[in-house]
Amino acid sequence: EIVLTQSPATLSLSPGERATLSCRASQSVRSYLAWYQQKPGQAPRLLIFDASNRATGIPARFSGSGSGTDFTLTISSLEPEDFGVYYCQQRSNWPGLTFGGGTKVEI
Amino acid sequence: EGYLVESGGGLVQPGGSLRLSCAASGFTFSNFWMSWVRQSSEKGLEWVANIKQDGSETHYLDSVEARFTISRDNSNNLLYLQMTGLRAEDTAVYYCARDPWESSPIGGGFFDYWGQGALVTVSS
Repeated sequence: EIVLTQSPATLSLSPGERATLSCRASQSVRSYLAWYQQKPGQAPRLLIFDASNRATGIPARFSGSGSGTDFTLTISSLEPEDFGVYYCQQRSNWPGLTFGGGTKVEI
Repeated sequence: EGYLVESGGGLVQPGGSLRLSCAASGFTFSNFWMSWVRQSSEKGLEWVANIKQDGSETHYLDSVEARFTISRDNSNNLLYLQMTGLRAEDTAVYYCARDPWESSPIGGGFFDYWGQGALVTVSS
């Protein structure tokens, strides 16, 4: 099983600031990594797939980078609606899909 | 835009059974791989099972293999998860989720549409 470790656990930032979230894989997942945002009481929402591709309707302030074992989700300038928990997920050894433990972004 | 609505969750005793349903609309259901993903406070998000467009291929998380069965009814745009031998550690919110690529021979492995979730609680 590929284990994904996210850091930090919590990020406390103000609107307008830049957020940098990290996801590290226990072995290479090539570029097969996705990012999701989840707000309380809601399902996860796809933000980024295959490391750097924004999903439909996702604002340009969200960007992803990385390959192999180290990945980054960047929110260039935080908006108040960006609070929530962010998860990474790998599909490299499909169908054995795994998720990271999440990073909570507090505004 | 796709919509997924789960139903069938509830409280069940250890060893019991439950069947979840997911009604799909807004897209051609029969053209997409579909999955069940669960979320608990103990284990976070876990992919549980997926099924090919025509139901001919299924895959399961090791811990649910032989206890859970995923199936689909393409005529009625419905996805199912039959759960038997339920354990306390199966307690979670269960989401149905859509793979992103239409008519793909293999699963995409990530999810662009999710339902609102159905809570399953396994307790005596």
